[in-house]
Amino acid sequence: AQSVSQHNHHVILSEAASLELGCNYSYGGTVNLFWYVQYPGQHLQLLLKYFSGDPLVKGIKGFEAEFIKSKFSFNLRKPSVQWSDTAEYFCAVNVPTGANNLFFGTGTRLTVIP
Amino acid sequence: DAGVIQSPRHEVTEMGQEVTLRCKPISGHDYLFWYRQTMMRGLELLIYFNNNVPIDDSGMPEDRFSAKMPNASFSTLKIQPSEPRDSAVYFCASSAAGTGYNEQFFGPGTRLTVL
Repeated sequence: AQSVSQHNHHVILSEAASLELGCNYSYGGTVNLFWYVQYPGQHLQLLLKYFSGDPLVKGIKGFEAEFIKSKFSFNLRKPSVQWSDTAEYFCAVNVPTGANNLFFGTGTRLTVIP
Repeated sequence: DAGVIQSPRHEVTEMGQEVTLRCKPISGHDYLFWYRQTMMRGLELLIYFNNNVPIDDSGMPEDRFSAKMPNASFSTLKIQPSEPRDSAVYFCASSAAGTGYNEQFFGPGTRLTVL
């Protein structure tokens, strides 16, 4: 089965600092890749997704992610974080030829200090 | 559209009791997913339905867990009997059918505490 690894469990940054959250997956074929965000007390929301094409994808709120196929990675970045970015971030994988389900990483909690 | 609706939002129960979690998917969506979120294991897919039919229940932890989808607008996840290790947040999600992948929309979750 596919697995998704997020190595950073909790990241603490000051406002305006740059962010990079790691995501690696284990599947040798074509995948669809996602980042979801869960703000405190809220449900998961899609931040951005990659299906094909330009490996650098831009999402909402200034987030972007880069797909590096050779490294099986899909890291999330933001040049300058804000206090409102405090949330939990989940990387997820879908195998296009399989079912319409997602495999999630364990999540990374981001705390931004004002 | 109100989005995916889950009830209750919080549930506290005692070990051995039956727990029923409810989900109403987005109207017109053909897929419904149940996930469990814990600190140790993150988000795990428990089961999913397509057109009210269970497709993959391999994530259901054991026989104490059961899920049903009697119609296109309602699903339940039942735990009987409940145990403390079942304490988690349970999410329901739905998505439309079609070629390729279709985005899953998540409900607010049910936080279950089993004492």
